[in-house]
Order: sequence, then C-alpha cells, then structure tokens
Amino acid sequence: AQSVTQLDSHVSVSEGTPVLLRCNYSSSYSPSLFWYVQHPNKGLQLLLKYTSAATLVKGINGFEAEFKKSETSFHLTKPSAHMSDAAEYFCVVSRDSGGGADGLTFGKGTHLIIQP
Amino acid sequence: NAGVTQTPKFQVLKTGQSMTLQCAQDMNHNSMYWYRQDPGMGLRLIYYSASEGTTDKGEVPNGYNVSRLNKREFSLRLESAAPSQTSVYFCASSLSGRQNTEAFFGQGTRLTVV
Repeated sequence: AQSVTQLDSHVSVSEGTPVLLRCNYSSSYSPSLFWYVQHPNKGLQLLLKYTSAATLVKGINGFEAEFKKSETSFHLTKPSAHMSDAAEYFCVVSRDSGGGADGLTFGKGTHLIIQP
Repeated sequence: NAGVTQTPKFQVLKTGQSMTLQCAQDMNHNSMYWYRQDPGMGLRLIYYSASEGTTDKGEVPNGYNVSRLNKREFSLRLESAAPSQTSVYFCASSLSGRQNTEAFFGQGTRLTVV
C-alpha cells in the first residue's frame, strides 16, 4: 500500500522569497513521485517527476524537488516566488501497480499563497 | 492539440437524476481514469481503464459506472445522483499503466446535486 502526506495545507510566502512545500510518502517498492499544480478552476498540470534517475529533479517554472529515500520525502522548492505561483500543489505517488494501470495516489494538497 | 477533453464543464442535477460525463483523449493513450476532487481530500480514483475493453474499480466506485467506448473515450455515469456526489470530476489519461508515466488531466466537470 502507498500513501502521501503533505505536511502543510496552506503555505504563505512573500513574492521573491523561497518556497518550500513538504511531502512525505510511504511505499512498499521504489516509487515514482510527481508534483502537480492546479490553478484556480483549472485542470492539473505536471510540474516534475522522479523516476529513480537523478534524485534532484528540475521541473517547469523554476521548481525542483529532491528525492530523499532515507527520509521518505520529496519536498518541492523554488528559490524565488512569483505571484503566478499562487495555486494548489499536489504531491503524488504511483501505485504499486505491478505493471497494471491503477492510477495515482494524491496527497490532500497544499494551497500556496503569495503575498505582494 | 486538445489533450483530454471533458464535457460538460458544469452541471446541476436534482437528486435521483442520471447523467453521463464524457471524456476523450487524442494522445493515443492506453490508460484512462476518473477522479473526483473534494475540498481537503485531494483527488480520489473512482474507476480506471488500463486498456480498451477493460475497466476496474478505484478507491470510491459506489454510485458510478463507466464505459471504455473505444481507445479515445471513457465515460462516467451516475445512475441516480445523490448530494454526496457533488464534486469536481477529472478525467485523465496516461500512455500506459507503468509506474513512471505521468497522467494528463482534463479541465474538470463541476457537478452539483441538489
């Protein structure tokens, strides 16, 4: 079984300051991990993914995440927040599918607020 | 490049009414999914289809049925809508069910059951 815990339901930062969105996971196998972003009234867009290659993963819009197996974490960071980053962010782990297509397990989301 | 297209975008139903949510993808993906999104709950998987001709239950299948009409289309049906089914519904697709393939999402259907 797999699970994802996003440690903060809301994060508020000032424009131009660093962003840190925290995610812990549990998985019976080596997981694939994703971060998705959802802007208001929009669908979900992939920010980045980890698939057992480099542990530091770079995504779109200046975001990156580091896979730390010893800490079972996959935190999302950005050096300098922009107003357009205000959105809901989801940490996602692939299921133990054994090759089958049975979807993704989502965290409950972190609402990122950017203060001007 | 349409990606994943869902219809309708908004719908209001009365309790007991039925409706079908439509989803189509033009990326030649094998796997398709239906999720519901509720405040503070993230997205929860309702049903999925690993490939054309197969469907399986997800985490919250009660009250729903699905049909994988062909490789492109995957519909979700509510036979007798209940207020608890008020939610935002997302269709998604992925190239395969392999662990490292990301899913692509539609824009969502906002459903209200009164």
